Amino acid sequence: EDQVTQSPEALRLQEGESSSLNCSYTVSGLRGLFWYRQDPGKGPEFLFTLYSAGEEKEKERLKATLTKKESFLHITAPKPEDSATYLCAVRAYNNAGNMLTFGGGTRLMVKP
Amino acid sequence: ETGVTQSPTHLIKTRGQQVTLRCSSQSGHNTVSWYQQALGQGPQFIFQYYREEENGRGNFPPRFSGLQFPNYSSELNVNALELDDSALYLCASPSKGPGIEQFFGPGTRLTVL
Repeated sequence: EDQVTQSPEALRLQEGESSSLNCSYTVSGLRGLFWYRQDPGKGPEFLFTLYSAGEEKEKERLKATLTKKESFLHITAPKPEDSATYLCAVRAYNNAGNMLTFGGGTRLMVKP
Repeated sequence: ETGVTQSPTHLIKTRGQQVTLRCSSQSGHNTVSWYQQALGQGPQFIFQYYREEENGRGNFPPRFSGLQFPNYSSELNVNALELDDSALYLCASPSKGPGIEQFFGPGTRLTVL
């Protein structure tokens, strides 16, 4: 069974204080690992897809990396508007259709 | 803007009732997936429809059912509502491009009293 665990559950940062969010996964044949941002009461917003170990993707202050067992979302010099829940999900080759398995998310709060 | 819309935005029902939630995608993609997200948790896969047929289901009982129409809009139906069905219900459609990512709608917040 595919499993995704995210840590920490919650993270408080001061504006400008860089940090990393962790996503550990167990999957039988990774087809892709995804990062989403979710604001309260809204649907997840797509950020990145990573396909293989060693791959990196960047967007503004965010950088996602992937190893064979985990992924990191690095946030450089965060701003208050980066406050949100960040979700990690995996899709396996043997999953029915496009099924995604999500972690519980990391709630990020950035104080000015 | 993902091009995925859902209705209604909010819904309040009582235990034992039935509910229908709706989803449509501007892209007209022939695949749609539904997820349930309880408060403080990650989304959980309910099922997927491809060309109007269910082709994958998560760990949800048969009282969760769906439909996909020829215009590729979709419905999620839940019968005999239970208190634990209170959640944000999300539908998702695949990327129009070469990527395999899913794009989510804004969700329907269902409260069961």
